Amino acid sequence: QSALTQPPSVSGTPGQRVSISCFGTISNIGAYTTNWYQQLPGKAPRLLIYSDNVRPSGVPDRFSGSKSGTSSSLAISGLQSEDEADYYCAGWDDTLNGLVFGGGTSLTVL
Amino acid sequence: QVTLRESGPALVKPTQTLTLTCSFSGFSLSTSGMSVSWIRQPPGKALEWLARIDWDGDEYYRTSLRTRLTISKDTSKNQVVLTLTNMDPVDTATYYCTRTILANPIAYFDSWGQGALVTVSS
Repeated sequence: QSALTQPPSVSGTPGQRVSISCFGTISNIGAYTTNWYQQLPGKAPRLLIYSDNVRPSGVPDRFSGSKSGTSSSLAISGLQSEDEADYYCAGWDDTLNGLVFGGGTSLTVL
Repeated sequence: QVTLRESGPALVKPTQTLTLTCSFSGFSLSTSGMSVSWIRQPPGKALEWLARIDWDGDEYYRTSLRTRLTISKDTSKNQVVLTLTNMDPVDTATYYCTRTILANPIAYFDSWGQGALVTVSS
């Protein structure tokens, strides 16, 4: 059981906008920023968003992050087939005194 | 260009000690704000952060594995070594090393190695 809770799966059709949630507590998301990672099938993860809403160079602006209280969200607009991947949120947890990942969300592009 | 590569045994026996080496290029671990972390992923499961070593030598460990983990660095060789003692089949996973940026307030992993699959079996 992860300290950060994500839905196991989400799906959408090409061109659609989807959102992936990451629920935490005051000891993690409520206190610190959230990072997001994308893991394509069979590949190493890749940094997608850091500090809640900052995109590293090379990440399309179709990807955006936000946070409200103890939950964070990753939004993907203009969904494309190559977005089909697992997505993980990550943050620091004071109770566990370490970095924690969410359980991951599998995105299917129908 | 930043690159990282994990190396080590693909198969270890239960109770043995795992030693993994991360060899990297494109950055220096003596630069302020730089760090290297290890993260693992059991087959079909989520990512799990293990340990981190900072440019100034500070070390951080996953609390639940603290007694079994050791991370060290050789700045001159651009290498970071992770050891995990008393291996168990539940430690079977792909182990990744990552360049870690010490942002405020929390760090993020901006470059990843390809990963090394380690299987624990007798």
